Amino acid sequence: AQSVAQPEDQVNVAEGNPLTVKCTYSVSGNPYLFWYVQYPNRGLQFLLKYITGDNLVKGSYGFEAEFNKSQTSFHLKKPSALVSDSALYFCAVRDSSGGSYIPTFGRGTSLIVHP
Amino acid sequence: DSGVTQTPKHLITATGQRVTLRCSPRSGDLSVYWYQQSLDQGLQFLIQYYNGEERAKGNILERFSAQQFPDLHSELNLSSLELGDSALYFCASSESGDLSYEQYFGPGTRLTVT
Repeated sequence: AQSVAQPEDQVNVAEGNPLTVKCTYSVSGNPYLFWYVQYPNRGLQFLLKYITGDNLVKGSYGFEAEFNKSQTSFHLKKPSALVSDSALYFCAVRDSSGGSYIPTFGRGTSLIVHP
Repeated sequence: DSGVTQTPKHLITATGQRVTLRCSPRSGDLSVYWYQQSLDQGLQFLIQYYNGEERAKGNILERFSAQQFPDLHSELNLSSLELGDSALYFCASSESGDLSYEQYFGPGTRLTVT
C-alpha cells in the first residue's frame, strides 16, 4: 500500500530565512509526487510535481522540491521565506505503475513564517 | 480561482438527513475527485470519476454515493447523516485520468451536522 509521511505538524521560520517542509513516501512502483498548498478557508492549490527526469523540480511562488529516490523523500524548499507563505502544505503520491489509482495525501504541515 | 466550482458553500443540516453536494470541474477536465477534510482525519480521498465512470474508490462510507453526469459535473450524496460527517468536502478535477496530472481543487463545501 502506498503512503506519505509529513513528519512535522508545524514548521516555524523567520521571514527571509530558507524553509524546508519534509515529505517521505512509499509506493510499489515509481512515484509521481506532488506538493499542494492550502490557505485558510480555501481549497488546495497545486505547487509542483515530480514525474520523471531532473530530481530538482521548480514550481510556483519560488518553491522547489528535490526528489531523492534512495531516501524516498520529496522535501519542499524555498530559499527565502515570506510571511505570505504561511499556510498548510500537503505532499501527495501516486503510483505510476497504475496498480492503484488512489491519490494519497500526507496529513499536512503548517508553515508559519514570522516577520 | 481554480476554475472548479462547488455548491453550496455552507450547509447545515440535522442528523439522519440527506444532502447533495455539487461540483463543476474546470472546462475540459474529464476526471473528478471527492475528498473529505476534517481536523482529526486530515484529507481523505473518497472517490474518483473519469468521463462518467468510477475510476477509484477510497474510504467512502456506504451511506455516501457519487456520480458524474454526461456534462461532467458531479454530485456527492450523503445520507443518514451523523455528527461525525461534519467536515469540509472538496471536489477536484484533472485534465485526464492519467496519474501524472495534477488536481485543481474547488473552494469546498462546509457541512455541519447538528
